[in-house]
Amino acid sequence: DAGVTQSPTHLIKTRGQQVTLRCSPKSGHDTVSWYQQALGQGPQFIFQYYEEEERQRGNFPDRFSGHQFPNYSSELNVNALLLGDSALYLCASSLDLGPGELFFGEGSRLTVL
Amino acid sequence: AQRVTQPEKLLSVFKGAPVELKCNYSYSGSPELFWYVQYSRQRLQLLLRHISRESIKGFTADLNKGETSFHLKKPFAQEEDSAMYYCALSEAGANNLFFGTGTRLTVIP
Repeated sequence: DAGVTQSPTHLIKTRGQQVTLRCSPKSGHDTVSWYQQALGQGPQFIFQYYEEEERQRGNFPDRFSGHQFPNYSSELNVNALLLGDSALYLCASSLDLGPGELFFGEGSRLTVL
Repeated sequence: AQRVTQPEKLLSVFKGAPVELKCNYSYSGSPELFWYVQYSRQRLQLLLRHISRESIKGFTADLNKGETSFHLKKPFAQEEDSAMYYCALSEAGANNLFFGTGTRLTVIP
């Protein structure tokens, strides 16, 4: 079992662009959460998807949106990128809505220039 | 408002010495508390959660509601304990975690 996989691992964008990050959950998991981790900070909750619906959302603007597919994989989309969006984006999967144990991916490091 | 506070960004102890990583939280309800750990070149993973009342890799953590703390302790530190440790809180009825800023523990041989 590869665990949670994320792609791409690194990417560079410019201000105003849009980005899509992808996540495949651990085998058997149906719930996906996304976290943003800025340099020197702990992960900050963006939103959670279960049964293809956004179930809970953190304090992030509407520029951040997501999607979950029938195979439980998920995407995180960020529009109109700002310099402050530069961060490590972590995907975590779990067996249910939680708050049980989260299994994290290695993250996608986004740099906005 | 910061829900989870980890006052030490860096902590160094000698091998065999006791270690305590501090975590304080701000929440008036009944929280669920966790410790997550990230070893070098590995992904973030759960170390322990207070409802399990387990000792994992020799670490324990007790929820003290009076002091709103959930400190992580180990009586004898090992070199392999060197890692980044995050305390996290989940509010009652919520599914997400609030993480602290983390403490980097270095165990000196």
